[in-house]
Amino acid sequence: EDQVTQSPEALRLQEGESSSLNCSYTVSGLRGLFWYRQDPGKGPEFLFTLYSAGEEKEKERLKATLTKKESFLHITAPKPEDSATYLCAVQDIAAGNNRKLIWGLGTSLAVNP
Amino acid sequence: DAGITQSPRHKVTETGTPVTLRCHQTENHRYMYWYRQDPGHGLRLIHYSYGVKDTDKGEVSDGYSVSRSKTEDFLLTLESATSSQTSVYFCAIGLADHTQYFGPGTRLTVL
Repeated sequence: EDQVTQSPEALRLQEGESSSLNCSYTVSGLRGLFWYRQDPGKGPEFLFTLYSAGEEKEKERLKATLTKKESFLHITAPKPEDSATYLCAVQDIAAGNNRKLIWGLGTSLAVNP
Repeated sequence: DAGITQSPRHKVTETGTPVTLRCHQTENHRYMYWYRQDPGHGLRLIHYSYGVKDTDKGEVSDGYSVSRSKTEDFLLTLESATSSQTSVYFCAIGLADHTQYFGPGTRLTVL
């Protein structure tokens, strides 16, 4: 069964303290892995898509990496405005044309000034 | 901002009443989705559409129906609302690269 597990559930960092969030997944074949950021009371905001093991993408203080079993979202020198819930989702090749995503429960990140 | 709006943004209704939520997009994307988000469950797919009048069920479709008579509008209907349908509802559009972009959400409370 397709599954996405995110860890930790919650993370509290001091401003400038770098860390990583984990997304481990089980699918028959990976079509894509997606990272989103969600602020309270808002819809998820797209960050990155990764398609194959070894791929990396960066945006400001965020860097996403992908292996055959997991993805990491590295946050370098975070600022309070990086506080949010970070969601991971995967798409199984077996999903065919329906394009359904399998979602993790998210990591709630708090960055203290 | 992918040009997605949802209405209403907040709604309080009573058990047994019908409720319709609207999702509107401005960019003619073929794929549209309805999710609900609840603590401890994350995002769960209710229904999705892959074109006008083409819809299919997601993982939590019981008690919900959808319609898509125009490319830009995707309606979610709760035929007879129940307290278990109290949730935050998100609409999303799907792009050619399979990325999904989300609307701002509708907070629904069923008393």
